[in-house]
Amino acid sequence: EVQLLQSGGGLVQPGGSLRLSCAASGFTFISYAMSWVRQAPGKGLEWVSGISGNGGSTYYADSVKGRFTISRDNSKNTLFLHMNSLRAEDTAIYYCAKIIFGVVLGSMDVWGQGTTVTVSS
Amino acid sequence: QSALTQPASVSGSPGQSITISCAGTSSDVGGYNYVSWYQHHPGKAPKLMIYDVSKRPSGVSNRFSGSKSGNTASLTISGLQAEDEADYYCSSFTSSTTYVFGTGTKVTVL
Repeated sequence: EVQLLQSGGGLVQPGGSLRLSCAASGFTFISYAMSWVRQAPGKGLEWVSGISGNGGSTYYADSVKGRFTISRDNSKNTLFLHMNSLRAEDTAIYYCAKIIFGVVLGSMDVWGQGTTVTVSS
Repeated sequence: QSALTQPASVSGSPGQSITISCAGTSSDVGGYNYVSWYQHHPGKAPKLMIYDVSKRPSGVSNRFSGSKSGNTASLTISGLQAEDEADYYCSSFTSSTTYVFGTGTKVTVL
């Protein structure tokens, strides 16, 4: 079964850091690009970042550029989102997602269960 | 990158058809055939319903169909069912090499 299992998240103070993880199983991880998407309370979905299968290309939304870093460890089938200089507006449910075959930024056909990040003092 | 524009809400009776619009620009929706639609029930992970404008993933009901004209994409749900009540989001690849979602539409089955 194709599955993404997320971990990390929690409560962090403004200006703090956090790392989210997303463990993949059931598919050839290195063959697929991956993305992170978030949903702030009462708001819609927002694309955050994407990474190619080999990790050589990364992409970011303007709202997180320079503060967040996406990475992957293909030997451990795991995707990461390193979040620095966190702000209250980064409070959201964060989802990792698998991109359909053949594109780096595109449709997401498998999603993690989501993990909550709360930025508050 | 601004969010794509969707109506806040659409409603219909069981068995009816409804259409959700998704307005973008020539830099996203109009410029690429990479429009997708997601169904999102609160508290659950989003589900891909349509990709590449009009393609359905395996397992998605053929009651869901997608199309595009110019800078506007559309999702049509035919034979509306109670289980279709959810939030729906369109999305697109953009010329800035980013990805953008729509503002979201709440579908209510009357």
